[in-house]
Amino acid sequence: SQQGEEDPQALSIQEGENATMNCSYKTSINNLQWYRQNSGRGLVHLILIRSNEREKHSGRLRVTLDTSKKSSSLLITASRAADTASYFCATDVTGGSYIPTFGRGTSLIVHP
Amino acid sequence: DAGVTQSPTHLIKTRGQQVTLRCSPISGHKSVSWYQQVLGQGPQFIFQYYEKEERGRGNFPDRFSARQFPNYSSELNVNALLLGDSALYLCASSYTPAGSYEQYFGPGTRLTVT
Repeated sequence: SQQGEEDPQALSIQEGENATMNCSYKTSINNLQWYRQNSGRGLVHLILIRSNEREKHSGRLRVTLDTSKKSSSLLITASRAADTASYFCATDVTGGSYIPTFGRGTSLIVHP
Repeated sequence: DAGVTQSPTHLIKTRGQQVTLRCSPISGHKSVSWYQQVLGQGPQFIFQYYEKEERGRGNFPDRFSARQFPNYSSELNVNALLLGDSALYLCASSYTPAGSYEQYFGPGTRLTVT
């Protein structure tokens, strides 16, 4: 089974709205990363948050990490049509050999 | 600087054949990882190489093999292809072993097995 699981599986919003997607994982992690993928192409790294961090920002992106709940959230503010993509979280398991494990992803559609 | 490059872009093979996929990492990156992504799923880890040594292997059969060359480029080989091997194969490079730092992904090789 996947270490990270994104929720919801699909999200459809209007341009200008905020989009929130969540990632839950099962075992302790060293860090968690969020990636974006457009139309089956290569993934683009968005944010890396380490296990001792609780929140990180990058432009319109805000990521939170709650290690007690084993969950993370990605917030995209003031979404744009260009944000339409699949978003994946990848976790790096504590004690593992630095192998990021990806979830199934959240498919975000932003309508102009 | 050039990003991660992969070749070929698309490939069509017949069941039972063998295939070799190639990846060139970003200059200065010493770690290369390979992922298989089936339509509708997230990438599944296949291999990671760092400084030409295998650092990790995912749950894939022995038909899958890889190697990293002195210039840090990498090849992924798949023997005795099955229909289920049809997928997007992604290569990612990072300065250190993946997980500690962000990975940079190539555009992928789309493999179709008929």
